[in-house]
Amino acid sequence: DAGVIQSPRHEVTEMGQEVTLRCKPISGHNSLFWYRQTMMRGLELLIYFNNNVPIDDSGMPEDRFSAKMPNASFSTLKIQPSEPRDSAVYFCASSHLRRDKDTQYFGPGTRLTVL
Amino acid sequence: GEDVEQSLFLSVREGDSSVINCTYTDSSSTYLYWYKQEPGAGLQLLTYIFSNMDMKQDQRLTVLLNKKDKHLSLRIADTQTGDSAIYFCAESSGYGGSQGNLIFGKGTKLSVKP
Repeated sequence: DAGVIQSPRHEVTEMGQEVTLRCKPISGHNSLFWYRQTMMRGLELLIYFNNNVPIDDSGMPEDRFSAKMPNASFSTLKIQPSEPRDSAVYFCASSHLRRDKDTQYFGPGTRLTVL
Repeated sequence: GEDVEQSLFLSVREGDSSVINCTYTDSSSTYLYWYKQEPGAGLQLLTYIFSNMDMKQDQRLTVLLNKKDKHLSLRIADTQTGDSAIYFCAESSGYGGSQGNLIFGKGTKLSVKP
């Protein structure tokens, strides 16, 4: 299996621009998680989906952030408009709820820099 | 609410044992995990322990769980420079509880000196 795939790996954009991060979970997994990691705040859970349905988005910092999961093999995290404080590494992870001990498998991350 | 605490830094010499500690608050946690993050990479599952176990050993890794004190530790024997990374402790409430969500600690940065 290819593991969790994220794109792009690196993104540099200017303040005010729209940013879309993409994630392909491991085939057969039914849970997907978006995390943000910074030096100051560590690893933060933004939102997670079970069977393509958002379960908890309380970690989404502001209305500028939105996430979708149109099908079991694809999810996006969008920031519009982006701000310099959004600079971070964004991770996607997937798991199979009720199997494999809830183990989450992480993608390599997208390093976002907002100038 | 649920919380997981870890010390932020640990420095050891190559060949020594490393012990990384973690405390958690959710007494209903079913599984507890250790993840490793190397520079520039995502988190990788190292090992996990079921809450009804006291100890789990996997090659150089030993996980100890004190459920009464809600204390989890990871011991790495014969620590190597390649073990330098950030280690995250995480807990799960398991089936039907948190619906698969994990609560992560802030991570312990392990530095191994030659």
